[in-house]
Amino acid sequence: GDSVTQMEGPVTLSEEAFLTINCTYTATGYPSLFWYVQYPGEGLQLLLKATKADDKGSNKGFEATYRKETTSFHLEKGSVQVSDSAVYFCALSRTGAGSYQLTFGKGTKLSVIP
Amino acid sequence: IAGITQAPTSQILAAGRRMTLRCTQDMRHNAMYWYRQDLGLGLRLIHYSNTAGTTGKGEVPDGYSVSRANTDDFPLTLASAVPSQTSVYFCASRLDRGTGELFFGEGSRLTVL
Repeated sequence: GDSVTQMEGPVTLSEEAFLTINCTYTATGYPSLFWYVQYPGEGLQLLLKATKADDKGSNKGFEATYRKETTSFHLEKGSVQVSDSAVYFCALSRTGAGSYQLTFGKGTKLSVIP
Repeated sequence: IAGITQAPTSQILAAGRRMTLRCTQDMRHNAMYWYRQDLGLGLRLIHYSNTAGTTGKGEVPDGYSVSRANTDDFPLTLASAVPSQTSVYFCASRLDRGTGELFFGEGSRLTVL
C-alpha cells in the first residue's frame, strides 16, 4: 500500500541555518504531495503542496519539489527562524474505493535555537 | 471564526468507560476524518465520512465508532475505553473538490487509566 517515509528527528538547528527534511513515498498512480506543520499545542495546518511531477510548492520561505523519478518531496528552507520550531509532516493523497485519504509520515520535530 | 471545533480539549478517563469526542465544522465541507496521533507513529486514520449519512473505516478503526447525521458534526465514540486508546485525537475536514487540503481541529488529548 501507499506509504510515506520521512527523516527521523529531532532536528536542532541554529537560527539562519539551512534546513532539509527528507521525504520519500511509495504509491500507485500519481498522488498529490503535501507538507503539513504542527506548532506546539495546535492542530496540523497545510504548509505547501504539489499536485504533479516537477511541481514546486512554496510558502513562508519553505519549498519542496515533486520528484517522480526519485519518489521524493524534500522540504527545504534557506534560513530558519526560531518561529519555525514545530513538527513537520509529509503526506500523500490517494483516492480509492470511493474515498479520498491522506497518508502521513511519522513527523519530524524541528527545534531552532537563537 | 470558521473552522473546526473539538471538545473536550483534554480528558482523563477510567478504563471501561464510554467516551464521545465531539467535532463540529462550519465550513460546509462534505468530507470529515478522525486521526489519532501517537509519538513515533505519526497520524493514523481511524474513521472517515465522505458525506452526511456515510462513514468508512480507516487504518485503525477497532474500538471506535462514528456517526454522521448531518454535514457539520462528526462525533467519535469509544464504547469501552482501554489504556491503548490514550492518544491525541484530531478531527479534520475537506472540501470535496480541489487540491485535497485537510483542515484540522486543535485536538483532544485523551488519557485512559
